[in-house]
Amino acid sequence: DQQVKQNSPSLSVQEGRISILNCDYTNSMFDYFLWYKKYPAEGPTFLISISSIKDKNEDGRFTVFLNKSAKHLSLHIVPSQPGDSAVYFCAASVVGSQGNLIFGKGTKLSVKP
Amino acid sequence: NAGVTQTPKFRILKIGQSMTLQCTQDMNHNYMYWYRQDPGMGLKLIYYSVGAGITDKGEVPNGYNVSRSTTEDFPLRLELAAPSQTSVYFCASKKNTEAFFGQGTRLTVV
Repeated sequence: DQQVKQNSPSLSVQEGRISILNCDYTNSMFDYFLWYKKYPAEGPTFLISISSIKDKNEDGRFTVFLNKSAKHLSLHIVPSQPGDSAVYFCAASVVGSQGNLIFGKGTKLSVKP
Repeated sequence: NAGVTQTPKFRILKIGQSMTLQCTQDMNHNYMYWYRQDPGMGLKLIYYSVGAGITDKGEVPNGYNVSRSTTEDFPLRLELAAPSQTSVYFCASKKNTEAFFGQGTRLTVV
């Protein structure tokens, strides 16, 4: 049973517009959430994270929102750029345990010029 | 800055052969992980280690073994390769909350 779900396998957005990637989780013990970006033939790279004590974290063009009551988080990219085209993975963990990251299946973002 | 280094990058194995995927990190991280990624799927945890001498099974450990004799190295062993083990394998290390990944090993078993 998937604990972290990314229900949209793909998303296509025009350059300059907002990209919104969604992620849902089922385990209420998760207290730390991360987004990773992956280009083909490369390993995932860390993008942005959020602790469960916050509802928003911003880093440049990237903002992550967390809605604990809905067990939902989203990644906003504004403005989207062609170089943002990649697969984005949502991950969750329980800080203080082994800290294993549980990943969603990923969403492939395509930003068209 | 090397970070997490995996070797080899690509490998083709015949059914029943064995091999070791190497992983080393130079960040002095205690936690290390092996994940596999199948097409259209997320990363699934095979094995993990919280420090030298300590390893434990993840979600999909069958057919694999690991060891952690040093902080830096965390090799993954396939003893009897099967077609179901065709995948891309990622090693990662972590200190606090953020994991750093290697570039991956693409393994094909034929």
